[in-house]
Amino acid sequence: DAKTTQPPSMDCAEGRAANLPCNHSTISGNEYVYWYRQIHSQGPQYIIHGLKNNETNEMASLIITEDRKSSTLILPHATLRDTAVYYCIVKVGGGSNYKLTFGKGTLLTVNP
Amino acid sequence: EAQVTQNPRYLITVTGKKLTVTCSQNMNHEYMSWYRQDPGLGLRQIYYSMNVEVTDKGDVPEGYKVSRKEKRNFPLILESPSPNQTSLYFCASSLSHLLGETQYFGPGTRLLVL
Repeated sequence: DAKTTQPPSMDCAEGRAANLPCNHSTISGNEYVYWYRQIHSQGPQYIIHGLKNNETNEMASLIITEDRKSSTLILPHATLRDTAVYYCIVKVGGGSNYKLTFGKGTLLTVNP
Repeated sequence: EAQVTQNPRYLITVTGKKLTVTCSQNMNHEYMSWYRQDPGLGLRQIYYSMNVEVTDKGDVPEGYKVSRKEKRNFPLILESPSPNQTSLYFCASSLSHLLGETQYFGPGTRLLVL
């Protein structure tokens, strides 16, 4: 699985968009980008994933650069409840074990 | 409501006293997995199951057992707990064969072994 690099922490004002970057310069053609978050000591929560195209769901948008070497998770209107550690995971889909490898992630703090 | 449940949520026990942490999902998922989370070490996979009666070791299986007799349940068994198994445990499940990385996690079980 390709290595990912995320900033250790970011701040965002409540109501503003939060843009969380992730670098994955060694990503291969069949690897997906997944985003999860973990609110303090709760179970990780799946947010979104993508392969090449930008994706949007009710929680967030995922922008993947054309060369796929980096991506950005966008929370369009951050709330205090979005304060969490956000993990970017790059992995080939499927296979014999869907094990997720969580790195250190980015601690997003949403301020009032 | 679609969910993964774990019981108990909190447990204090003593060394050597067998315990079981239950995990149940109501989404008819085939894949289930157990992780433990420790400060500075992140989440590490203990065991996983691709389907009923199919289980395999993850990265840190020592001291743990699992079983998958029914699709919905995947209990984690500590036959003889030791203090180094004090941790936060998460169960996860997934439906898709193709993208099983889209996983639902339980709320966690915090275990303290004295």
